[in-house]
Amino acid sequence: GEDVEQSLFLSVREGDSSVINCTYTDSSSTYLYWYKQEPGAGLQLLTYIFSNMDMKQDQRLTVLLNKKDKHLSLRIADTQTGDSAIYFCAGLTGRRALTFGSGTRLQVQP
Amino acid sequence: EAGVTQFPSHSVIEKGQTVTLRCDPISGHDNLYWYRRVMGKEIKFLLHFVKESKQDESGMPNNRFLAERTGGTYSTLKVQPAELEDSGVYFCASSHLGQENTEAFFGQGTRLTVV
Repeated sequence: GEDVEQSLFLSVREGDSSVINCTYTDSSSTYLYWYKQEPGAGLQLLTYIFSNMDMKQDQRLTVLLNKKDKHLSLRIADTQTGDSAIYFCAGLTGRRALTFGSGTRLQVQP
Repeated sequence: EAGVTQFPSHSVIEKGQTVTLRCDPISGHDNLYWYRRVMGKEIKFLLHFVKESKQDESGMPNNRFLAERTGGTYSTLKVQPAELEDSGVYFCASSHLGQENTEAFFGQGTRLTVV
């Protein structure tokens, strides 16, 4: 299977919360990241969490890490149409390169 | 400050032809990475330069791919000869050399289509 897995698609209504999930296999990942890609743009770092933390909050974003289950999630509160994008989770491995998931396309309905 | 820039943004070539992608990292960034996303799948690591040296090229698919970073500034990724399965979006990223969790800044990617 893939090293990092994500569901492909999520649709929510504007104002609702979005939760994007990710599972990974490499327990040696020291940092875990969430990137956002808008159409025609590069990857933008949204937030990250160190592997010894279990939660990090940054304004509308909340990252939860369950290291035992190797599960990472990104919650976006009060989702806006501008949040529509592809979201990638990624882990930093010992070789200092990122291992990405396949991305979750978030569609926000007005 | 200019971000990571990649050129071209799109390229359509025929199977068997050669294509060269270019990446200009953020000035002063010694780390430079190439990644590729094929057909909506995961983004995969290709290789990592530290200045002009190849630190890790374990992700390069085969010897049709050649990456260079002469002088430790911009980098090129040449595909010769291109095959259909090389189609995808090629991303470049750069970061400062130093602490482990140094943020990597990504370019907008080059969409390569081999027909």
